[in-house]
Amino acid sequence: EPEVTQTPSHQVTQMGQEVILRCVPISNHLYFYWYRQILGQKVEFLVSFYNNEISEKSEIFDDQFSVERPDGSNFTLKIRSTKLEDSAMYFCASSRGTWVQPNNSPLHFGNGTRLTVT
Amino acid sequence: RKEVEQDPGPFNVPEGATVAFNCTYSNSASQSFFWYRQDCRKEPKLLMSVYSSGNEDGRFTAQLNRASQYISLLIRDSKLSDSATYLCVVNRGADSWGKLQFGAGTQVVVTP
Repeated sequence: EPEVTQTPSHQVTQMGQEVILRCVPISNHLYFYWYRQILGQKVEFLVSFYNNEISEKSEIFDDQFSVERPDGSNFTLKIRSTKLEDSAMYFCASSRGTWVQPNNSPLHFGNGTRLTVT
Repeated sequence: RKEVEQDPGPFNVPEGATVAFNCTYSNSASQSFFWYRQDCRKEPKLLMSVYSSGNEDGRFTAQLNRASQYISLLIRDSKLSDSATYLCVVNRGADSWGKLQFGAGTQVVVTP
């Protein structure tokens, strides 16, 4: 079964440094997402991406965050200047379609990148 | 009021027993509903979508009550492997297709 893959599985960085989290969505999927989960808390939406542009973003996704699809396979999340509170598990997800269609396309999540900011 | 609320549990269930729990959502414009399961520190995995008519997938049955704005999940003949956190997931409506709201999860512990 096709999978969403994320690298690295664990990233440790110092406060103020830039990090790039990488994701390879499922190949025939058109919609891409980043979610995050702070330890012990619920999964939170960050951003959705379609047709090479951001479709929607949350309040968390401020100017320090950016996303990019640099080629036909990768989807990246960049945090420009990390803060301690950015420490979390970051999940990439993809879907073939959107929720509003009948038999809506579920999100498939990658296994996450654990980001630790020290 | 939280957008998606769940009883955190834990629900301690003997193997073979039935367990059921609900989730309430606040946005009446929500159109899509899902149950995901999450094992400790792993990614959420889709368990099932929830349709208005209710739906069943093996030992799992999901129901949606739009009038009261809740969805439910019932697990029959519980297996040890059903031990996990079950996440209620709701979208915000047709204008917000990508932004899913996750509940904090209901923990289920199946015991031998």
